[in-house]
Amino acid sequence: EADIYQTPRYLVIGTGKKITLECSQTMGHDKMYWYQQDPGMELHLIHYSYGVNSTEKGDLSSESTVSRIRTEHFPLTLESARPSHTSQYLCASVGAAGVEQYFGPGTRLTVT
Amino acid sequence: EDQVTQSPEALRLQEGESSSLNCSYTVSGLRGLFWYRQDPGKGPEFLFTLYSAGEEKEKERLKATLTKKESFLHITAPKPEDSATYLCAAQSGNQFYFGTGTSLTVIP
Repeated sequence: EADIYQTPRYLVIGTGKKITLECSQTMGHDKMYWYQQDPGMELHLIHYSYGVNSTEKGDLSSESTVSRIRTEHFPLTLESARPSHTSQYLCASVGAAGVEQYFGPGTRLTVT
Repeated sequence: EDQVTQSPEALRLQEGESSSLNCSYTVSGLRGLFWYRQDPGKGPEFLFTLYSAGEEKEKERLKATLTKKESFLHITAPKPEDSATYLCAAQSGNQFYFGTGTSLTVIP
């Protein structure tokens, strides 16, 4: 069973604020991913990482940044929140020996 | 262009009424085809990985199959607790391409 955690689970914040969504996994997985998911839509890749100090941009990366200083931790930062950022944010990880992604519970973000 | 298409978008079944969900994919160098279950407000829960055409996997009332162009998730005699959105994803390289899901409702 996968152990991947996201905090906060729910966040309501005003426009222009800087926010960081946390993601941690205790499985020692190398690969980690951030996705954005809107109702009825496919998951869109925001950023991904293949290991410590390795990060890559996905399709929706232009308004956010990530860091990977430790294997278990992959935070996502929005420098200036906008109403268009209102969405569900999902973090996932994949182990070196596996291919399937394991997902965290998600963070539901609302920007007012 | 790599993409995954799922159908139908929504499916309502009577309890015990078997059916299938479809996932069509066009990706270069398929490494794996994945099925997930997602309940409202939660992250996707991994169900199956299929690697090659002809492969089948089963778990309780669910069976996943794979051909060169599509995958099916067969649900046999579903129960209300099977109600959820079922997501399909195809992996090419280190990238995962997701469909929009099929929302399944099983009516008692």
